[in-house]
Amino acid sequence: QVQLQESGPGLVKPWETLSLTCIVSGDSINSDYWAWIRQPPGKGLEWIGDVYYGGGTNYNPSLKSRVTISIHMSRTSFFLKLTSVTTADTAVYFCARAKTGSGHFLEFDSWGQGTLVTVSS
Amino acid sequence: DIQMTQSPSSLSASLGDSVTVTCRASQTIGRYLNWYHQKPGRAPKVLVFAASSLQAGLPSKFSGSGFGTEFTLTINDLQPEDFGTYYCQQTYVVPRTFGPGTKVEIK
Repeated sequence: QVQLQESGPGLVKPWETLSLTCIVSGDSINSDYWAWIRQPPGKGLEWIGDVYYGGGTNYNPSLKSRVTISIHMSRTSFFLKLTSVTTADTAVYFCARAKTGSGHFLEFDSWGQGTLVTVSS
Repeated sequence: DIQMTQSPSSLSASLGDSVTVTCRASQTIGRYLNWYHQKPGRAPKVLVFAASSLQAGLPSKFSGSGFGTEFTLTINDLQPEDFGTYYCQQTYVVPRTFGPGTKVEIK
C-alpha cells in the first residue's frame, strides 16, 4: 500500500520560493501520475499540476509561470516549487498519486495528510 | 478551462437518509469524472472514478452515474462517517478542475 508524506517549511516570506517534498513509501515512482493539490483555509481544492513517471509534466495555467514539479532521481520522492509566492498561496498542500487505468482514467487514490504553508512576512 | 459546478452547495440530512449530489461540467467530459469525500482537517478520499466505478473496498451504498456534462453521486443509508464535503473533479483535460464542493451536514 503506497503512502505519501509531505514535508517542507510551514512559513514562507512573500516573493520567496515555496519548496515541498512528497516522500513516497510502499512503492516507487515507476508508473502513474504524481500530483500536487492545494486547499486555501476554508475553501475548495485546486489542482496545481502533476508529473508522469516518465517525466512529462502538466501544470495549472493559472500557476504555470511559477510552478515546477519534478521527480527525485531515487524515484522515492517528488517535489513542488512555487516561486514568487504571495498571501494568496497560503494553503494546505497535498501530494497525491493519480493511478492510471484502462481508458486513461485517472484515480487519485492515495493522498498525503497535507501540510499547511503560510505566506507571511 | 472546464468549469465544474455542484448542487446543492450544502444539505442537511438525517441518519439513514439517501442523498444525491449533482455535478455539471461546462463542456463534455465523457466519463472522466471522480468523486471525493473530505472530512475537516483530513485529505480527500476518492469514492468513485470514471463516473461510476467504485473505489476498491467501498460499500455499495455509494454510487455514481452520468456521462458528458451531468453526473450524480448517491449515498444511501447515511451514517455519521459520511458527513463532510463531497467534491467532483474532471480528469478529461488539464487543468484537472474540481467542483466547489457540497457540504453534507447532520439534520
